[in-house]
Amino acid sequence: EAQVTQNPRYLITVTGKKLTVTCSQNMNHEYMSWYRQDPGLGLRQIYYSMNVEVTDKGDVPEGYKVSRKEKRNFPLILESPSPNQTSLYFCASSLSGTIHGYTFGSGTRLTVV
Amino acid sequence: AQTVTQSQPEMSVQEAETVTLSCTYDTSESDYYLFWYKQPPSRQMILVIRQEAYKQQNATENRFSVNFQKAAKSFSLKISDSQLGDAAMYFCAYRGGYSGGGADGLTFGKGTHLIIQP
Repeated sequence: EAQVTQNPRYLITVTGKKLTVTCSQNMNHEYMSWYRQDPGLGLRQIYYSMNVEVTDKGDVPEGYKVSRKEKRNFPLILESPSPNQTSLYFCASSLSGTIHGYTFGSGTRLTVV
Repeated sequence: AQTVTQSQPEMSVQEAETVTLSCTYDTSESDYYLFWYKQPPSRQMILVIRQEAYKQQNATENRFSVNFQKAAKSFSLKISDSQLGDAAMYFCAYRGGYSGGGADGLTFGKGTHLIIQP
């Protein structure tokens, strides 16, 4: 089944403890993105990647890192999480060519205490 | 930078009736794509419908259709014969065309919460 897989689905952590949210797609998509969703703010892009080793900042990149060493994987790293990073996170992927919508993962609910 | 505005935080409609969700956007590009995504309580993001800016014909997918007014930069979603399963958050999204690369993801509106009254 073609899909974007995120793990974990739920995570509670403490301030300052490094964490990684994994994202993997099996559709050979070139483009991948991370978003955070907060009530009343919609989805805002954190980082995106055009292909392997090519990443760039989105609208809210502060406090996050990403890497794209393989085409299928695009992990999101929080080096020192803070409570204001408590949010719902989505990974998404797309073929190149803009007619294609993005396919989204199931989301990761992160709580930083 | 592009912006997407959904002016209706919440809408309510009777089952079997028709409802229209509004979306406006701002861009300087001539080539772009617009999408409506549905997010039910399961929180999964589901693509409902898409529209290419260069096409004058409005997109339709079963009970879902759009009214795309390029000059007005308006992209509304019409849901006909509303069903209980249509209850969800609906997000309007913009994607730049080839001139903007298209790799830089989607710009979303803040969403409209649609309630279906039985």
